[in-house]
Amino acid sequence: EPEVTQTPSHQVTQMGQEVILRCVPISNHLYFYWYRQILGQKVEFLVSFYNNEISEKSEIFDDQFSVERPDGSNFTLKIRSTKLEDSAMYFCASTLRGGVTYNEQFFGPGTRLTVL
Amino acid sequence: GESVGLHLPTLSVQEGDNSIINCAYSNSASDYFIWYKQESGKGPQFIIDIRSNMDKRQGQRVTVLLNKTVKHLSLQIAATQPGDSAVYFCAAMNSGGYQKVTFGIGTKLQVIP
Repeated sequence: EPEVTQTPSHQVTQMGQEVILRCVPISNHLYFYWYRQILGQKVEFLVSFYNNEISEKSEIFDDQFSVERPDGSNFTLKIRSTKLEDSAMYFCASTLRGGVTYNEQFFGPGTRLTVL
Repeated sequence: GESVGLHLPTLSVQEGDNSIINCAYSNSASDYFIWYKQESGKGPQFIIDIRSNMDKRQGQRVTVLLNKTVKHLSLQIAATQPGDSAVYFCAAMNSGGYQKVTFGIGTKLQVIP
């Protein structure tokens, strides 16, 4: 069964460093998302991406964040200068379609980011 | 520094019993409501969704009820099994929002064998 994959599973970094979290969405999906979940808290939307551009982003997704689909398979989230409060689980998701009807979002297993 | 997190509400259910997980929402403009299951160390997994113009939808062993009058959503799991132990999140989507899903605070379901 197709699945969303994410690497690495755990990333430890020093405050101020840049990190790139990688995702491989399901191959025929067209809409891509990043969410984050701070330990013990709810899952929060960061950004949605379609047709090589951001379609929506949350207040959390400030100038320190960027997303890219560098090739036909990868979808990346970059944090330019990490802060302690960026420590969280980051989930990538993808859907086949967009539009006004809900389409099941398939989530990856997540990358745990620890900022020291 | 001090770290503050939310304490998840926990529901403990005997194996074989039915479980009911509740959720309150605030945004009347949501067009879809979704239940996700999150097992330890994994990403959220879709269980069932319901459109805002419906009040009930059934899946395999699960039923979602929507009461728009009181802005309440519930997930019923029939004959709860140990494999159902997880954190359950209700979520909502507004049709105008590029499939952006807004998650609620989860409920931890513990199934007692």
